[in-house]
Amino acid sequence: DTAVSQTPKYLVTQMGNDKSIKCEQNLGHDTMYWYKQDSKKFLKIMFSYNNKELIINETVPNRFSPKSPDKAHLNLHINSLELGDSAVYFCASSRSGTDPYEQYFGPGTRLTVT
Amino acid sequence: SQQGEEDPQALSIQEGENATMNCSYKTSINNLQWYRQNSGRGLVHLILIRSNEREKHSGRLRVTLDTSKKSSSLLITASRAADTASYFCATGRSNYQLIWGAGTKLIIKP
Repeated sequence: DTAVSQTPKYLVTQMGNDKSIKCEQNLGHDTMYWYKQDSKKFLKIMFSYNNKELIINETVPNRFSPKSPDKAHLNLHINSLELGDSAVYFCASSRSGTDPYEQYFGPGTRLTVT
Repeated sequence: SQQGEEDPQALSIQEGENATMNCSYKTSINNLQWYRQNSGRGLVHLILIRSNEREKHSGRLRVTLDTSKKSSSLLITASRAADTASYFCATGRSNYQLIWGAGTKLIIKP
């Protein structure tokens, strides 16, 4: 009955590798997000998708490519990983419409690049 | 870009006391939200307050919003050990984007 799930929970890899993080939500939401939380706990939006269309891309290097196969999934693929990519990545989802809505977060994926 | 700034960065109080955290922001908003993050977990939504609202309550939580001062406060009354967490404010200018502060780390001592 998990609302927003992410896999894997931990990811340790070497510089230069390519990796993917998967996200799924079963809340019926139209909008999904990827966030990066750095070591100082600062949370920054990376991407936002609404009905499978990209609506926010916040100056993220093009080594990061989100893919939304359907409204319930938003995966994040990262090419040529760098040390600075080490962080916790959160997926989130929300309803969409004229009113603002709260976001529901997944448990996070801790990425460590060595 | 960072919009909200929480104050204080860290707060340690005795169980049973009230905890107050503040958030300031820079540009106009249509809503402000507070979230809690327990260590090693995802964020959990607490309260959403719209720009035309001044105060909102949810259980032991009280949020105020002063758009003239571009600030908000979160009050947790009768704190419990389980309230130990980081608390974030996030401001929304659109319905698809929230901009986040760096959080207040709250420790409740038994």
